[in-house]
Amino acid sequence: AQSVAQPEDQVNVAEGNPLTVKCTYSVSGNPYLFWYVQYPNRGLQFLLKYITGDNLVKGSYGFEAEFNKSQTSFHLKKPSALVSDSALYFCAVRATGNQFYFGTGTSLTVIP
Amino acid sequence: NAGVTQTPKFQVLKTGQSMTLQCAQDMNHNSMYWYRQDPGMGLRLIYYSASEGTTDKGEVPNGYNVSRLNKREFSLRLESAAPSQTSVYFCASRPHGGGYQETQYFGPGTRLLVL
Repeated sequence: AQSVAQPEDQVNVAEGNPLTVKCTYSVSGNPYLFWYVQYPNRGLQFLLKYITGDNLVKGSYGFEAEFNKSQTSFHLKKPSALVSDSALYFCAVRATGNQFYFGTGTSLTVIP
Repeated sequence: NAGVTQTPKFQVLKTGQSMTLQCAQDMNHNSMYWYRQDPGMGLRLIYYSASEGTTDKGEVPNGYNVSRLNKREFSLRLESAAPSQTSVYFCASRPHGGGYQETQYFGPGTRLLVL
């Protein structure tokens, strides 16, 4: 069965510091991995995706994510956090078929 | 382009009442999805439609029905609402033919409260 785990409900980081939001996955077959961000009272917005190729993928707003096959992880990172990055972040995986599986979300707070 | 639109934005129902949540997309996407979002649960798929005329159950379909009216519209119906269906509902669409790399585009959500 496909699944995604986001082990941290909440991540706090000081403005200007690097941030990491963790995601691990379990799929049969090749994983196709996505990160989305949700601002209050809004729908989810696509940030970045890993399909194949380089393990480090770059996305919107300076975010990047590192795919690690041996650890089945796809952690979201940013070198220098901004207060405006405060939001809810979701990791998602698609394997076979049309379905996507989402993690439970991680609330990121960037402290000025 | 408006993208994915959802109506209503907010709704209060009494237990046993019925209603239909509307979703439309103007991006000519083939696939459409309905999710519910609950605290600590993330997004869970209710139903999806890979193309016009087809629908499939997702992870939590009980208590819901869907209609893919045409390529643009995908509605979600609650025949007899229950308090457990209090949630935020998101519709999404995705292009087809682009393979697994194609991502989903989400609507702004409908907040439903069932008393």
